[in-house]
Amino acid sequence: EVQLVESGGGLVQPGGSLRLSCVASGFTFSSYWMHWVRQAPGKELEWVSRISSDGSSIRYADSVKGRFTISRDNAKNTLDLQMNSLRAEDTAVYYCARDKGIVVVLDSWGQGTLVTVSS
Amino acid sequence: DIQVTQSPSSLSASVGDRVTITCRTSQNIGLYLNWYQQKSGKAPKLLISVTSTLQSGVPSRFSGSGSGTNFTLTISSLQPDDFATYYCQQTYTISTFGRGTKVDIK
Repeated sequence: EVQLVESGGGLVQPGGSLRLSCVASGFTFSSYWMHWVRQAPGKELEWVSRISSDGSSIRYADSVKGRFTISRDNAKNTLDLQMNSLRAEDTAVYYCARDKGIVVVLDSWGQGTLVTVSS
Repeated sequence: DIQVTQSPSSLSASVGDRVTITCRTSQNIGLYLNWYQQKSGKAPKLLISVTSTLQSGVPSRFSGSGSGTNFTLTISSLQPDDFATYYCQQTYTISTFGRGTKVDIK
């Protein structure tokens, strides 16, 4: 069974940093591209970032470019999102999601971790 | 950037109703459109990929159609388990989600 489990969320002050992690199991993690998608309270889904299976290709949404860094460790089956210079508008539930491949199709999602940016 | 306009933003329907949700994109995306269902407090669930490919385990009352800039998700006979929010996602250039359609009980 495919499982994605996020952790690392919490309350952080504006300008602060947080590192999210997503542990994958039940599939060959190193074969799949992975994404982070977020959802502000009561709002729609927003794509954040994606990383190729070997980590060589990375893209970010304009809203987080230069502040967030996506990475992965295929030996440990983990996907990370380092978030710096956090703003109130970054407050959201952050989901990691597996990309089915060929074209972007997010076929498995974690349960999400809540990040709250507030003083 | 490709804009995605999803409509309606909400609708009320009864069990057994036929429901149609529309997504329009600001440029031609071919067939690169997916549909997701999200229930309150839960992660999204993939329903349909590449316009019309039903995911394994998804009931056949769900269907997708369209191409280019106009796409439709249809629920042929709404069931109690279908009351949720539905999102479309264009993947022609990375990813953009629609703003969602909340389907609730009439």
